Amino acid sequence: GAGVSQSPSNKVTEKGKDVELRCDPISGHTALYWYRQSLGQGLEFLIYFQGNSAPDKSGLPSDRFSAERTGGSVSTLTIQRTQQEDSAVYLCASSLLGRGSEQYFGPGTRLTVT
Amino acid sequence: GQQLNQSPQSMFIQEGEDVSMNCTSSSIFNTWLWYKQDPGEGPVLLIALYKAGELTSNGRLTAQFGITRKDSFLNISASIPSDVGIYFCAGQRSGGGADGLTFGKGTHLIIQP
Repeated sequence: GAGVSQSPSNKVTEKGKDVELRCDPISGHTALYWYRQSLGQGLEFLIYFQGNSAPDKSGLPSDRFSAERTGGSVSTLTIQRTQQEDSAVYLCASSLLGRGSEQYFGPGTRLTVT
Repeated sequence: GQQLNQSPQSMFIQEGEDVSMNCTSSSIFNTWLWYKQDPGEGPVLLIALYKAGELTSNGRLTAQFGITRKDSFLNISASIPSDVGIYFCAGQRSGGGADGLTFGKGTHLIIQP
């Protein structure tokens, strides 16, 4: 069956430009999560959506980061005025309501800011 | 934010050997999970643990949720070449997915033929 998909798979951008990353969760999964993975590091939680609302934005590293989810499905993570330290793999995960611990991950978007 | 202490950071073993890795935390988690990540892929869930003291197996993998709820271990028996990858532990404080997972920094497993 279809898993979590993310696009683009790779993105190279110049410092100062805005980028948008997309996540398509598993059909029927109401919860959606964004994580960031820097080279050689574990995953850092960014934001969580339940349906279209984001009760937990605590992990967003700065106000340059924002995310939205529409229709309880697709989500976009936007990074404005990108900096070199934003370079990382951005991973999206989704889970069933009530089974939120079992998060299923997409392949990630590798962002490189030059 | 809260970090899990995962060890060892890397392991070099011979094919057929057993593997053991663990995670500890200074705070309590209600759920412990173990993921494996291959290069260029997202993490794949191996085992989920929901109760303190729980011991769960998935093929050659066995994981336990520590009694104190502050630690977990993962064992892999009779390792094979496809076990190569990075293994992450992850903890979640609340049930139902109401917050994100906290991840360890990973154990890089390398198998020498």
